[in-house]
Amino acid sequence: KNQVEQSPQSLIILEGKNCTLQCNYTVSPFSNLRWYKQDTGRGPVSLTIMTFSENTKSNGRYTATLDADTKQSSLHITASQLSDSASYICVVSARGSTLGRLYFGRGTQLTVWP
Amino acid sequence: DSGVTQTPKHLITATGQRVTLRCSPRSGDLSVYWYQQSLDQGLQFLIQYYNGEERAKGNILERFSAQQFPDLHSELNLSSLELGDSALYFCASSSHEALYNEQFFGPGTRLTVL
Repeated sequence: KNQVEQSPQSLIILEGKNCTLQCNYTVSPFSNLRWYKQDTGRGPVSLTIMTFSENTKSNGRYTATLDADTKQSSLHITASQLSDSASYICVVSARGSTLGRLYFGRGTQLTVWP
Repeated sequence: DSGVTQTPKHLITATGQRVTLRCSPRSGDLSVYWYQQSLDQGLQFLIQYYNGEERAKGNILERFSAQQFPDLHSELNLSSLELGDSALYFCASSSHEALYNEQFFGPGTRLTVL
């Protein structure tokens, strides 16, 4: 069964600290993996998108890694800021049909305290 | 700002009623996707339209329907509303047909059914 599991479900850190969010998937055949940031009540915004051949991709203080062998991805946030408080959603795309399929994780709710 | 617009921003209605949500994709994008996000659930893919035609269906109820017009804007119609339909409804757009291409999300419509 194709699934995307994210951990932890929620996380609280102090401003300035680093943190790492995890995404494990069983989606096959794999096409790409995206991390989205969703502020409360707003639409998700893409942070990174990685294909099978990419191991690491950065977007400012956000760095995503992908291990296609173990089907794991992580999102590392460096020097957290209050504005990083949001839900972070892992989305895995599968090929196989003409259009492919999308599988969504339920997100990690990150809260950054001053 | 993703370039995707949704109206209205908020909608409050009663059970049994019918509402229409509207979405305008980014300029040049042919694909429009609709998603539902409830408090206790992650993003749920509902339906995709590409250049006016239905392309993919997700977990869309029979009480819900959508269409994409020649000017590429899309409407999501929700009828016989139930309390459980209260949620955020997002529209996303992309330039390509395949689901695994990057999607850009609108700000969402918050629907409250009383």
